[in-house]
Amino acid sequence: QVQLVQSGAEVKRPGSSVKVSCKASGGTFSSFPISWVRQAPGQGLEWMGGITPLFATPKYGQKFQGRVTITADESTTTVYMELSSLRSDDTAVYYCARPARQRHINGSQISLGFDYWGQGTLVTVSS
Amino acid sequence: EVVMTQSPATLSVSPGERATLSCRASQSISSDLAWYQQKPGQAPRLLIFGTSIRATGIPVRFSGSGSGTEFTLTISSLQSEDFALYYCQQYNNWPPYTFGQGTKLEIK
Repeated sequence: QVQLVQSGAEVKRPGSSVKVSCKASGGTFSSFPISWVRQAPGQGLEWMGGITPLFATPKYGQKFQGRVTITADESTTTVYMELSSLRSDDTAVYYCARPARQRHINGSQISLGFDYWGQGTLVTVSS
Repeated sequence: EVVMTQSPATLSVSPGERATLSCRASQSISSDLAWYQQKPGQAPRLLIFGTSIRATGIPVRFSGSGSGTEFTLTISSLQSEDFALYYCQQYNNWPPYTFGQGTKLEIK
């Protein structure tokens, strides 16, 4: 059974950066994409980006391009999400998520829904 | 970017009755649609993928239908544990994956 365990809550100042980790266990780590999805307080779900560790080339949502960096460490089966230039509206719960099924198209791996989720990491941005 | 629009924002239904939730895509997404349930303080839970395929362990009272731009999640006989937030998500036109804004299913 796949499990995703995230790092703990963070409090950050505006303008700083935060790095959240997501350790995967069970299943196959390298060949399945892991995405990052965030949820601001009382708001909906927003996909930020993702990476398939085997290929190590992340994909990012345009909204976050230039501010987010997603990396994977196959030796520790951990995926990281770093968000820079933090603002108060980046205050949210950040989730990592992984599919049980994927589709391969033109060298990309499409997640057919997210079956497995981390427990979420609350990032609070406040001066 | 494909915009997903859910309706209604809030749906009030009595236990034992049927609930029907709608999701519309701003352009055709074929059958590449998933539904999630989320309860307070919890991560989302995948219910349906491929428009109508139940994820592992999901009760048969949850069903999905539609194609193209119009989709529906139906819960045939509401149980107390079904009152929650529901989100649809498309994965046809990526990046980015996009979610609807959610429907809150509350007890009438």
